[in-house]
Amino acid sequence: QLQLQESGPGLVKPSETLSLTCSVSGGSINSYYWNWIRQPPGKGLEWIGYIYYSGSTNYNPSLKSRVSISVDTSKNQFSLKLSSVTAADTAVYFCARAVAYRSSFDPWGQGTLVTVSS
Amino acid sequence: DIQLTQSPSFLSASVGDRVTITCRASQGISNYLAWYQQKPGKAPKLLIYAASTLQSGVPSRFSGSGSGTEFTLTISSLQPEDFATYCCQHLNSYPLTFGQGTKLEIK
Repeated sequence: QLQLQESGPGLVKPSETLSLTCSVSGGSINSYYWNWIRQPPGKGLEWIGYIYYSGSTNYNPSLKSRVSISVDTSKNQFSLKLSSVTAADTAVYFCARAVAYRSSFDPWGQGTLVTVSS
Repeated sequence: DIQLTQSPSFLSASVGDRVTITCRASQGISNYLAWYQQKPGKAPKLLIYAASTLQSGVPSRFSGSGSGTEFTLTISSLQPEDFATYCCQHLNSYPLTFGQGTKLEIK
């Protein structure tokens, strides 16, 4: 059974870079589309972007200038970097798999709360 | 970007009730729509994809319908574990977007 697990700092200072990793277990990362999604407290879900196992990426235009997603197939992990963060980037960050270019997300990681504060 | 508008935003119902949640897209998306259930502090759980296909393991009391711009999620007989927030997601084009959510509460 495929499982995803997010990890990274829970507190990031304003103007710094948020860095998270999603570890994939129970299956190989060498296929499919690997996504990042976030949810500010009490608000709805926002798709951040995906990386295809081969390395191609697609980002939400609203975040594109600040986002980078990478994959490390040797570690079965993919990562998110979001630069120049502000309080508006405070959210629970989820990783999730999509099996095709236009398919739904399943499974999801449990999510990790990242707070931007000095 | 394609906007998804769910209605209602809040819904109060009782165990055994039949409830319907609507998701409207700002432009036609064929059947590229998914529904998720989210409980507090948990990740979303996929219920339905391709507008009407039940995800494996999801109870048959959940059903989805619609195409184009209007979609519905129906729960035929509410169970205690169904009280949660439900949201739709379009998969027609990038960027993908989600509806704002419908919170289903116990009456």
